[in-house]
Amino acid sequence: DTAVSQTPKYLVTQMGNDKSIKCEQNLGHDTMYWYKQDSKKFLKIMFSYNNKELIINETVPNRFSPKSPDKAHLNLHINSLELGDSAVYFCASSQGAYNTGELFFGEGSRLTVL
Amino acid sequence: AQSVTQLGSHVSVSEGALVLLRCNYSSSVPPYLFWYVQYPNQGLQLLLKYTSAATLVKGINGFEAEFKKSETSFHLTKPSAHMSDAAEYFCAVGHTGTASKLTFGTGTRLQVTL
Repeated sequence: DTAVSQTPKYLVTQMGNDKSIKCEQNLGHDTMYWYKQDSKKFLKIMFSYNNKELIINETVPNRFSPKSPDKAHLNLHINSLELGDSAVYFCASSQGAYNTGELFFGEGSRLTVL
Repeated sequence: AQSVTQLGSHVSVSEGALVLLRCNYSSSVPPYLFWYVQYPNQGLQLLLKYTSAATLVKGINGFEAEFKKSETSFHLTKPSAHMSDAAEYFCAVGHTGTASKLTFGTGTRLQVTL
């Protein structure tokens, strides 16, 4: 039973399209994150939600909009996709927003924009 | 501000040899430090963490790391490499008192040869 699951795992789309990635965790955690890993494996935080409230919002284009319907789910919607959005997007969760940093990651969603 | 530098993007060792992956950090406040491992096509998994208790930290799969404040280092070691250790390893820094927002290094790919 996967702790942090993301769908889809792979996504290939054209520039200008809109796409969504969904994430669900069954660990009972109250904090969820989106990280972006680029082609050089550099991992950078994008957003974080604690109990459905946005607590971290890094410098990300407003084409990216996270949504957390409840504390077990965090979705990422991307409008007007650009080539530079191609990356692997990781969802993660943790217990507590001010915790000691132990994150549980999903397997990633590889987005390719053509 | 906090940052992490991982020296060596690629390290190759023979099976049974010592593994040493280097990490230096910069933090304006006492840091929390982490090593995560990423196997191919998977999410990151916590190996070990330092949160201001013992300076020598033991993790999973026989790995350990030592926090050296004077050298601002947190190098990861394993006495004897195994083929299954081949993966990407990420050092990360965070600190308590703020929303959990880890800063990751650029990763070190460990190759284990026969």
